[in-house]
Amino acid sequence: EPEVTQTPSHQVTQMGQEVILRCVPISNHLYFYWYRQILGQKVEFLVSFYNNEISEKSEIFDDQFSVERPDGSNFTLKIRSTKLEDSAMYFCASSVSLTGRGTQYFGPGTRLLVL
Amino acid sequence: DAKTTQPPSMDCAEGRAANLPCNHSTISGNEYVYWYRQIHSQGPQYIIHGLKNNETNEMASLIITEDRKSSTLILPHATLRDTAVYYCIVRVFQETSGSRLTFGEGTQLTVNP
Repeated sequence: EPEVTQTPSHQVTQMGQEVILRCVPISNHLYFYWYRQILGQKVEFLVSFYNNEISEKSEIFDDQFSVERPDGSNFTLKIRSTKLEDSAMYFCASSVSLTGRGTQYFGPGTRLLVL
Repeated sequence: DAKTTQPPSMDCAEGRAANLPCNHSTISGNEYVYWYRQIHSQGPQYIIHGLKNNETNEMASLIITEDRKSSTLILPHATLRDTAVYYCIVRVFQETSGSRLTFGEGTQLTVNP
C-alpha cells in the first residue's frame, strides 16, 4: 500500500541553524501539507501546497518557514533559523484533491529537537 | 469548519465493540465528517469519512445521525492495538479552500485486556 515517507526520523540541531525536513508524498497525489505537534499538544496545520505554490498557510507559518517541491517526488519544509519553540514532531501529508473528499494521508513524522 | 465535541477518554474491553461519539451540532450541508487516530505520537492515521450516509470499511463503521449533528465511530472488535487518540474532524467541501484539518483534543481510547 502506498505511503508517505519522511526523513530523517529524528533531527537534533542548535538554535539558529537551518534545517530541512524531507517528505516523499504518495506518487499520484497532487496536494501536500505540513503539520506539527509540540509535545503534549494538538496537531497543528502549517501549510498546504499545490501546483508549485502555497494554497493556504496558518499564522504559525511565518517568514522563517518555507516549502518547496524541488523535484517530482520530494516535498521539503525548511526552517531558516530554528528557535527552541520549533521543537516538535513535523508531519507531512498528501492528498489526491483539496476537497472534503480528498483524504489526507500522513507520514510517520520527523522529531525535531532544537537545543 | 464546524466545531466538534468528543469525550476526553473512553475504555473498552478487548474483543468488544468500541463506540466513539462525536457532536458536531453546527455542521453545515457541505461539510464532511472525518475520523483519524493517532497512536502514541505516530502520524495521524485516516480511518473513515462520510457526508450523510453511514459508511463502513475494513477498519470501522461510521454512523451519522439523520440531522447530521452527531456521529459515532464503531470499531467492531477492538484490540489492544486500537489504543489511540481518536479525532473527529469536520471539513468544509470547497474546491479552493478549506484544505486544512483542524485537530481537537480527541478521545483517548484505551482497550483493556
